[in-house]
Amino acid sequence: QKEVEQNSGPLSVPEGAIASLNCTYSDRVSQSFFWYRQYSGKSPELIMSIYSNGDKEDGRFTAQLNKASQYVSLLIRDSQPSDSATYLCAVKTNQGAQKLVFGQGTRLTINP
Amino acid sequence: EAQVTQNPRYLITVTGKKLTVTCSQNMNHEYMSWYRQDPGLGLRQIYYSMNVEVTDKGDVPEGYKVSRKEKRNFPLILESPSPNQTSLYFCASSLLQATSSEQFFGPGTRLTVL
Repeated sequence: QKEVEQNSGPLSVPEGAIASLNCTYSDRVSQSFFWYRQYSGKSPELIMSIYSNGDKEDGRFTAQLNKASQYVSLLIRDSQPSDSATYLCAVKTNQGAQKLVFGQGTRLTINP
Repeated sequence: EAQVTQNPRYLITVTGKKLTVTCSQNMNHEYMSWYRQDPGLGLRQIYYSMNVEVTDKGDVPEGYKVSRKEKRNFPLILESPSPNQTSLYFCASSLLQATSSEQFFGPGTRLTVL
Protein backbone atom coordinates (compact mmCIF):
# COMPACT_ATOMS: atom_id res chain seq x y z
CA GLN A 1 0.00 0.00 0.00
CA LYS A 2 1.34 3.41 -0.95
CA GLU A 3 1.88 5.81 1.93
CA VAL A 4 -0.17 8.57 0.29
CA GLU A 5 -2.73 7.73 -2.38
CA GLN A 6 -4.61 9.95 -4.78
CA ASN A 7 -6.75 9.24 -7.79
CA SER A 8 -4.54 10.27 -10.70
CA GLY A 9 -7.51 11.46 -12.75
CA PRO A 10 -7.90 13.24 -15.00
CA LEU A 11 -10.78 14.91 -13.20
CA SER A 12 -12.92 17.12 -15.42
CA VAL A 13 -15.18 19.76 -13.85
CA PRO A 14 -17.25 22.47 -15.56
CA GLU A 15 -16.37 26.08 -14.85
CA GLY A 16 -18.18 27.41 -11.80
CA ALA A 17 -18.73 23.97 -10.24
CA ILE A 18 -17.08 22.51 -7.15
CA ALA A 19 -14.00 20.36 -7.70
CA SER A 20 -13.39 17.70 -5.07
CA LEU A 21 -9.95 16.12 -4.68
CA ASN A 22 -9.28 13.24 -2.33
CA CYS A 23 -6.28 11.75 -0.61
CA THR A 24 -5.76 8.86 1.82
CA TYR A 25 -2.66 8.13 3.88
CA SER A 26 -1.42 5.05 5.66
CA ASP A 27 0.63 6.38 8.62
CA ARG A 28 -1.89 6.82 11.41
CA VAL A 29 0.37 9.14 13.42
CA SER A 30 0.82 11.69 10.61
CA GLN A 31 0.39 15.22 11.89
CA SER A 32 0.57 17.67 9.01
CA PHE A 33 -1.17 17.67 5.67
CA PHE A 34 -0.59 19.88 2.66
CA TRP A 35 -2.08 20.50 -0.75
CA TYR A 36 0.24 21.74 -3.47
CA ARG A 37 -0.78 22.91 -6.93
CA GLN A 38 1.56 22.24 -9.83
CA TYR A 39 1.12 23.68 -13.29
CA SER A 40 2.64 21.72 -16.13
CA GLY A 41 6.43 22.11 -16.15
CA LYS A 42 6.42 24.29 -13.05
CA SER A 43 7.31 23.70 -9.42
CA PRO A 44 4.75 22.81 -6.73
CA GLU A 45 3.29 25.71 -4.79
CA LEU A 46 1.55 25.37 -1.45
CA ILE A 47 -2.13 26.30 -1.45
CA MET A 48 -3.43 24.80 1.80
CA SER A 49 -2.16 23.21 4.99
CA ILE A 50 -4.23 21.55 7.69
CA TYR A 51 -3.22 20.05 11.01
CA SER A 52 -6.41 19.25 12.96
CA ASN A 53 -9.64 17.45 12.20
CA GLY A 54 -12.35 19.42 10.46
CA ASP A 55 -12.48 22.04 7.74
CA LYS A 56 -10.14 24.90 6.95
CA GLU A 57 -11.24 27.53 4.46
CA ASP A 58 -9.11 29.99 2.48
CA GLY A 59 -10.95 31.88 -0.22
CA ARG A 60 -12.34 29.40 -2.74
CA PHE A 61 -10.38 26.53 -1.21
CA THR A 62 -11.45 24.30 1.67
CA ALA A 63 -9.30 21.53 3.11
CA GLN A 64 -10.98 18.78 5.10
CA LEU A 65 -9.19 16.37 7.44
CA ASN A 66 -10.50 13.21 9.06
CA LYS A 67 -7.70 11.53 11.00
CA ALA A 68 -9.90 8.61 12.10
CA SER A 69 -10.51 7.70 8.46
CA GLN A 70 -6.98 8.81 7.40
CA TYR A 71 -8.49 10.98 4.75
CA VAL A 72 -7.84 14.52 3.57
CA SER A 73 -9.63 16.36 0.81
CA LEU A 74 -9.53 19.65 -1.05
CA LEU A 75 -12.63 21.42 -2.34
CA ILE A 76 -12.36 24.19 -4.92
CA ARG A 77 -15.51 26.29 -5.18
CA ASP A 78 -16.46 28.31 -8.27
CA SER A 79 -13.80 26.49 -10.31
CA GLN A 80 -11.96 28.60 -12.86
CA PRO A 81 -9.99 27.51 -15.94
CA SER A 82 -6.88 28.81 -14.13
CA ASP A 83 -7.42 26.08 -11.52
CA SER A 84 -6.54 23.48 -14.17
CA ALA A 85 -3.38 21.87 -12.79
CA THR A 86 -2.12 18.80 -10.97
CA TYR A 87 -2.87 18.82 -7.24
CA LEU A 88 -0.43 17.04 -4.96
CA CYS A 89 -1.36 15.80 -1.52
CA ALA A 90 1.59 15.71 0.89
CA VAL A 91 1.77 14.29 4.38
CA LYS A 92 4.40 14.94 7.00
CA THR A 93 4.99 11.58 8.60
CA ASN A 94 6.36 10.77 11.97
CA GLN A 95 9.48 9.12 10.53
CA GLY A 96 11.43 12.34 10.43
CA ALA A 97 10.60 15.83 11.54
CA GLN A 98 10.52 17.27 8.04
CA LYS A 99 9.94 14.39 5.66
CA LEU A 100 7.10 15.05 3.24
CA VAL A 101 5.55 12.11 1.44
CA PHE A 102 3.69 13.02 -1.72
CA GLY A 103 0.85 11.33 -3.50
CA GLN A 104 1.20 10.93 -7.25
CA GLY A 105 -1.14 13.86 -7.87
CA THR A 106 -4.58 14.36 -9.41
CA ARG A 107 -4.79 16.15 -12.73
CA LEU A 108 -7.71 18.57 -12.72
CA THR A 109 -9.19 20.17 -15.83
CA ILE A 110 -11.78 22.94 -15.58
CA ASN A 111 -13.87 23.14 -18.76
CA PRO A 112 -15.13 26.61 -19.78
CA GLU B 1 12.68 38.18 -2.84
CA ALA B 2 12.57 34.93 -0.87
CA GLN B 3 13.36 32.11 -3.23
CA VAL B 4 15.03 28.82 -4.01
CA THR B 5 17.16 28.84 -7.14
CA GLN B 6 18.46 25.92 -9.16
CA ASN B 7 20.96 25.74 -11.97
CA PRO B 8 20.94 24.67 -14.68
CA ARG B 9 17.26 24.62 -15.54
CA TYR B 10 17.77 22.25 -18.44
CA LEU B 11 20.62 19.83 -19.06
CA ILE B 12 21.26 17.17 -21.67
CA THR B 13 24.29 15.01 -20.98
CA VAL B 14 25.72 11.59 -21.76
CA THR B 15 26.10 8.49 -19.66
CA GLY B 16 29.00 8.64 -17.24
CA LYS B 17 29.78 12.35 -17.43
CA LYS B 18 29.80 13.77 -13.91
CA LEU B 19 27.44 16.67 -13.30
CA THR B 20 26.34 18.92 -10.46
CA VAL B 21 23.00 20.66 -10.06
CA THR B 22 23.21 23.61 -7.72
CA CYS B 23 20.54 24.72 -5.26
CA SER B 24 20.57 27.88 -3.21
CA GLN B 25 18.03 29.48 -0.85
CA ASN B 26 18.01 32.95 0.70
CA MET B 27 15.54 32.31 3.54
CA ASN B 28 18.03 31.04 6.14
CA HIS B 29 16.27 27.67 6.15
CA GLU B 30 17.88 24.80 8.03
CA TYR B 31 16.17 22.02 6.08
CA MET B 32 16.87 21.35 2.41
CA SER B 33 15.84 18.45 0.25
CA TRP B 34 16.13 17.07 -3.29
CA TYR B 35 13.27 15.35 -5.10
CA ARG B 36 12.87 13.74 -8.46
CA GLN B 37 9.55 13.69 -10.26
CA ASP B 38 8.66 11.02 -12.78
CA PRO B 39 5.33 10.39 -14.55
CA GLY B 40 3.07 8.16 -12.49
CA LEU B 41 5.49 8.09 -9.56
CA GLY B 42 5.06 11.55 -8.12
CA LEU B 43 7.73 13.36 -6.13
CA ARG B 44 10.27 11.11 -4.45
CA GLN B 45 12.89 12.30 -2.00
CA ILE B 46 16.52 11.68 -2.95
CA TYR B 47 18.49 13.24 -0.08
CA TYR B 48 17.84 15.77 2.62
CA SER B 49 19.80 17.91 5.04
CA MET B 50 18.77 19.13 8.46
CA ASN B 51 21.62 21.64 8.72
CA VAL B 52 25.21 22.30 7.69
CA GLU B 53 27.21 19.07 7.46
CA VAL B 54 24.10 16.99 8.30
CA THR B 55 22.75 14.99 5.37
CA ASP B 56 20.80 11.75 5.04
CA LYS B 57 19.32 9.47 2.41
CA GLY B 58 15.77 9.78 1.25
CA ASP B 59 13.79 7.13 -0.59
CA VAL B 60 15.81 6.95 -3.83
CA PRO B 61 19.45 7.90 -3.05
CA GLU B 62 21.25 5.43 -5.34
CA GLY B 63 23.47 7.15 -7.88
CA TYR B 64 23.38 10.54 -6.16
CA LYS B 65 25.56 12.45 -3.72
CA VAL B 66 24.98 15.69 -1.85
CA SER B 67 26.94 18.05 0.36
CA ARG B 68 25.97 20.86 2.74
CA LYS B 69 29.02 22.97 3.44
CA GLU B 70 27.06 26.21 3.74
CA LYS B 71 23.55 26.76 5.03
CA ARG B 72 22.27 28.33 1.83
CA ASN B 73 23.61 25.76 -0.68
CA PHE B 74 22.76 22.10 -1.24
CA PRO B 75 24.22 20.77 -4.51
CA LEU B 76 23.16 17.46 -6.04
CA ILE B 77 25.98 15.47 -7.62
CA LEU B 78 25.63 12.68 -10.16
CA GLU B 79 29.07 11.05 -10.34
CA SER B 80 28.22 8.75 -13.26
CA PRO B 81 24.79 9.58 -14.66
CA SER B 82 22.74 6.86 -16.32
CA PRO B 83 19.63 7.09 -18.53
CA ASN B 84 17.36 6.04 -15.64
CA GLN B 85 18.29 9.31 -13.94
CA THR B 86 16.52 11.24 -16.66
CA SER B 87 13.93 13.14 -14.67
CA LEU B 88 12.67 16.48 -13.39
CA TYR B 89 14.54 17.46 -10.23
CA PHE B 90 13.35 19.85 -7.53
CA CYS B 91 15.20 21.34 -4.61
CA ALA B 92 13.14 22.49 -1.62
CA SER B 93 13.83 24.20 1.69
CA SER B 94 11.99 24.93 4.92
CA LEU B 95 12.47 25.98 8.49
CA LEU B 96 13.13 23.12 10.88
CA GLN B 97 9.84 22.93 12.73
CA ALA B 98 7.94 19.89 13.94
CA THR B 99 4.71 20.36 12.04
CA SER B 100 3.84 23.55 10.31
CA SER B 101 6.79 24.59 8.17
CA GLU B 102 6.07 25.03 4.48
CA GLN B 103 8.53 23.63 1.97
CA PHE B 104 9.45 26.09 -0.77
CA PHE B 105 10.41 24.59 -4.09
CA GLY B 106 12.92 25.72 -6.66
CA PRO B 107 11.92 26.05 -10.34
CA GLY B 108 13.16 22.58 -11.26
CA THR B 109 15.93 21.12 -13.41
CA ARG B 110 15.01 18.94 -16.34
CA LEU B 111 17.81 16.42 -16.87
CA THR B 112 18.16 14.13 -19.84
CA VAL B 113 20.88 11.47 -19.81
CA LEU B 114 21.57 9.90 -23.21
